[in-house]
Amino acid sequence: DAKTTQPPSMDCAEGRAANLPCNHSTISGNEYVYWYRQIHSQGPQYIIHGLKNNETNEMASLIITEDRKSSTLILPHATLRDTAVYYCIVRASSYAGGTSYGKLTFGQGTILTVHP
Amino acid sequence: EAGVTQFPSHSVIEKGQTVTLRCDPISGHDNLYWYRRVMGKEIKFLLHFVKESKQDESGMPNNRFLAERTGGTYSTLKVQPAELEDSGVYFCASSQTGGFNTEAFFGQGTRLTVV
Repeated sequence: DAKTTQPPSMDCAEGRAANLPCNHSTISGNEYVYWYRQIHSQGPQYIIHGLKNNETNEMASLIITEDRKSSTLILPHATLRDTAVYYCIVRASSYAGGTSYGKLTFGQGTILTVHP
Repeated sequence: EAGVTQFPSHSVIEKGQTVTLRCDPISGHDNLYWYRRVMGKEIKFLLHFVKESKQDESGMPNNRFLAERTGGTYSTLKVQPAELEDSGVYFCASSQTGGFNTEAFFGQGTRLTVV
């Protein structure tokens, strides 16, 4: 079962920052926070992930609270093409024989609608 | 570089028939995952291959589903016999080996409709 809680939907004006919250109060020390999104009829797309430090890439920024119980995905300048379902996922990771594991457990996600 | 590709993109079959879905992962990715979304539900994990070995098949719904990955390259997921509740979108994903938490890349999915 999903170990994260997200609001079911959010709206954002085009050009403004979209801030998507996620609660993961039961996260354990070796679990990362991943964000994926699914644009209608496409496969899920990786956005960003982090352990405890804030992270930034060309798509988004990830802010993780110091206690790691929640995080926020930030799309700095949302466009209409960012309309999608955004999934916050806590990913278990274990190592065996040098191979990384970690299935993704998807919840309901947040439907982000970017409007003109 | 080619992404994860899945065949076919759509399949409509009758109840009781057999369907085989194929997934070609990104070249060099040892980890291959199958997921599916049935109507109105969340995306659910089915199984995980590491090369040709099944590492985790805890999500496979029943023995009508058979996944293979001979040679550790492409994978197939066979449903035999198909039931109405098998309708949904089946996604394949792959990721590299080595290092913690390399991201998984997903294919576009196969939309299966059982009538």
